[in-house]
Amino acid sequence: AQTVTQSQPEMSVQEAETVTLSCTYDTSESDYYLFWYKQPPSRQMILVIRQEAYKQQNATENRFSVNFQKAAKSFSLKISDSQLGDAAMYFCAYYNTNAGKSTFGDGTTLTVKP
Amino acid sequence: DAGVIQSPRHEVTEMGQEVTLRCKPISGHNSLFWYRQTMMRGLELLIYFNNNVPIDDSGMPEDRFSAKMPNASFSTLKIQPSEPRDSAVYFCASRTGGNYGYTFGSGTRLTVV
Repeated sequence: AQTVTQSQPEMSVQEAETVTLSCTYDTSESDYYLFWYKQPPSRQMILVIRQEAYKQQNATENRFSVNFQKAAKSFSLKISDSQLGDAAMYFCAYYNTNAGKSTFGDGTTLTVKP
Repeated sequence: DAGVIQSPRHEVTEMGQEVTLRCKPISGHNSLFWYRQTMMRGLELLIYFNNNVPIDDSGMPEDRFSAKMPNASFSTLKIQPSEPRDSAVYFCASRTGGNYGYTFGSGTRLTVV
């Protein structure tokens, strides 16, 4: 079974600084997708960024980028120029294309200090 | 696009009562997922549907839980009878075939007293 591990239950960052959230996963599959979701206090889960396992290039979405290390099964999220609105819980997710479903990590709560 | 719509947003019920949670996926999305979120267990997949057909219900905790998707635009998750340990936030999510990322609803916070 696939597992997703987020080893940092909580992180904090100063406004305008950069922070990296860690995620590792375990799988024997070769075809899969990885995602980061954001859950602010409003509770709505929002897709932040996605990475296809077959792509070597790291995905970027504005201030959000990932460091995808396939051999190490690592998928970290970097948030640059952190803003107060980035404060949320962030979930790493692994999508198994064969099973057709995602497995989520336990989440990392990010605090942004003004 | 109104997104994934869940109702009710909050539900408080007494133990033993029947609870029905509702979800309207995004039009054109052919997969629908029901998740439960608690502090202790995080996000758990309960069941998912492809083209209105249940594919994997291995996450449904007990026979008290049932889910249906009678058509492409509507799904329900029913708990009967409800118990205090069912208290959680229940999310519905949908996706389209070529995009494996989910669009989530706002969730239903269920409190069973």
